Amino acid sequence: GQNIDQPTEMTATEGAIVQINCTYQTSGFNGLFWYQQHAGEAPTFLSYNVLDGLEEKGRFSSFLSRSKGYSYLLLKELQMKDSASYLCAVRDSNYQLIWGAGTKLIIKP
Amino acid sequence: IAGITQAPTSQILAAGRRMTLRCTQDMRHNAMYWYRQDLGLGLRLIHYSNTAGTTGKGEVPDGYSVSRANTDDFPLTLASAVPSQTSVYFCASSADSSNNSPLHFGNGTRLTVT
Repeated sequence: GQNIDQPTEMTATEGAIVQINCTYQTSGFNGLFWYQQHAGEAPTFLSYNVLDGLEEKGRFSSFLSRSKGYSYLLLKELQMKDSASYLCAVRDSNYQLIWGAGTKLIIKP
Repeated sequence: IAGITQAPTSQILAAGRRMTLRCTQDMRHNAMYWYRQDLGLGLRLIHYSNTAGTTGKGEVPDGYSVSRANTDDFPLTLASAVPSQTSVYFCASSADSSNNSPLHFGNGTRLTVT
C-alpha cells in the first residue's frame, strides 16, 4: 500500500530552527509537496520538490532524496505565526496526491 | 479576489437527508478535487475532475457523487447522509493535473451528520 509518515506533533522555540521529516512509500513518484494548515483554515502551498536536493524559499526550505523516499521541511527563525500543521503529499504514478496526516508544530515563546 | 468559494461554511444534517456542497473557482483551473479531512488522517480524495465534462473516483467515493458541467463549478452531493460522513470537506483546484501544479483549497465545509 501507499504510505506517508510524518511525526504527529513537534514543539520548538521562537527564533529557533525546526526540521519536519516525511518518509514515503508510493507507487511511483511525480513530485512532493509541502503545505501549511493553520487550525480551522485551508491548507496553503509552501513548496514543491521533484529533483533531489534543497529548495530554499525565504525562511522555509525543503529537501528531497528520492532514493531514500525522504523529505524534510526546514523552518528557520521561527515565529509564533508558524504554529500550524504541516502536510506532506506525494504525487504517485497515476498523478494522484497521497497525503500524510500532518505534523502539528507548536511554537513556544 | 480570485480563489475558491465553498458553501455552506458549516452544516448540521440529519441522517438520511440529501445535501449538496457547493464549490466555485474563478481561476479558470482545469482540475478540481473534493477531499475530506478527519482527525489523525491525511486528506482523502473523494472525487476529482481533470477537466470540465469529466469526473473520476478517488480513494473514498462511496456515498458521494459529483458533476462538472463547466470549468468553474464542482458540486459534491451526499445522496443519503450517514454519521460516518461527518467531516471537514475541502474543495481544491489546480491549473492542471500535471506534476508541479499545486492545489489551491477553499476554506472548507464542516459537516455534522446526526
